[in-house]
Parts: sequence; structure tokens; C-alpha cells
Amino acid sequence: AQSVTQPDIHITVSEGASLELRCNYSYGATPYLFWYVQSPGQGLQLLLKYFSGDTLVQGIKGFEAEFKRSQSSFNLRKPSVHWSDAAEYFCAVGTTSGTYKYIFGTGTRLKVLA
Amino acid sequence: AAGVIQSPRHLIKEKRETATLKCYPIPRHDTVYWYQQGPGQDPQFLISFYEKMQSDKGSIPDRFSAQQFSDYHSELNMSSLELGDSALYFCASSLNIDSPLHFGNGTRLTVT
Repeated sequence: AQSVTQPDIHITVSEGASLELRCNYSYGATPYLFWYVQSPGQGLQLLLKYFSGDTLVQGIKGFEAEFKRSQSSFNLRKPSVHWSDAAEYFCAVGTTSGTYKYIFGTGTRLKVLA
Repeated sequence: AAGVIQSPRHLIKEKRETATLKCYPIPRHDTVYWYQQGPGQDPQFLISFYEKMQSDKGSIPDRFSAQQFSDYHSELNMSSLELGDSALYFCASSLNIDSPLHFGNGTRLTVT
């Protein structure tokens, strides 16, 4: 069965520090992979996506993610975190089992220290 | 750019009442998805529609029903509400199967 694991429930970093949020997936075929960000009480905003091709994808707000098939991972990175990046981050895999839909990870809540 | 519109933003109902949530997808998007996100939880897939037909069903209770109308907007109908139905309900739309889902800001349902 398809699944997404985000091992870190909470992460705290200082402003200006680098960030890496982990995501591991389980899927039989080449997955469609996504990272979304959610501010409190708000909707999910797409940060970036991977469908195929270059395994390093660039997203909005200075985020990037790297697809590593051998590790079944799609980790999100940012070289220098801003206080406004504090939010919850969800990794998702798009699955065509049945029909197309997303399966989300449980999310990582990011706290940024001034 | 136009986004997914959900209404209402907030809804308070009592147990055993009925609620209707509305979703207006991005223009030209023919696929609509509904997700439920409980407090501190990840979004859980409820149901999806493609071209006004139900395309997939997830963990949607029998008390809930949904449909997509001719103008592609969708409504999620929830009856016999329970306290556990309190959650953030998201609607998302996509242009086609290879396109990312675009989410609305959600409807926060509180059942008292």
C-alpha cells in the first residue's frame, strides 16, 4: 500500500540556519511527489512538485527538494530559513491506484527562532 | 490568479444537525477532491469527482454525501453530525491527472 512518512513531527531552527525536512514514501511505481505548506487555519499551498526528469526540483519561497529513488526519499531543503517559514509542512505522493489522489504524510511543524 | 473557493469559512453546528459545504474549483479544472483534516492530523481523502461523476471514494462516512454539479462546483453534505466530525474540510481541484492539486482555504466545521 502507498504511504508517506515524515519522521520529524516538530523541528526548531534558528532564523538564517539551513533546513531539511525528511520525507520517505512507499509506492510501487515512479511516484508523483509534492510538498505543501500550511499556515495555521489556512489552506495547503504547493511548494514544489516532482513528476519526472531532473531529481532536484526548485520551488517557491527558496525551497528545493531532491528525489532519491534508491532511498525512497523526497527531502525538502532551504539554505536559510526566514521567520515567516514557520508553518506545517506536508509531503504527499500522488497515486493512481484506483483514481488519482494524494496521500499525505503526517506533517512536520517548523518553528523558527529569532 | 483564481483559486479554489470554499464556503463558508467557518460553520458551527450542533450534534445531529446537517451541514452543507461548498467548493468552487479553479476555472477549467474538472476534478474536485474533498479532504478532512482533524486537529493535528494530516488531510484524509474523502471523495473525488471527475466530470461530475464520482471517481474515487476514501474514508467518507455513510452519513456524508457529495456531488459535482454541471458548473463543476461541488457540495459536501453531512448529516447526523457527530462531535468527531469537527475538522477542517478542504476542497481541491486539478486540471488533469498530471496536474498538482490546488487547495482552497478550507471550511472549519465545529460540532457542539
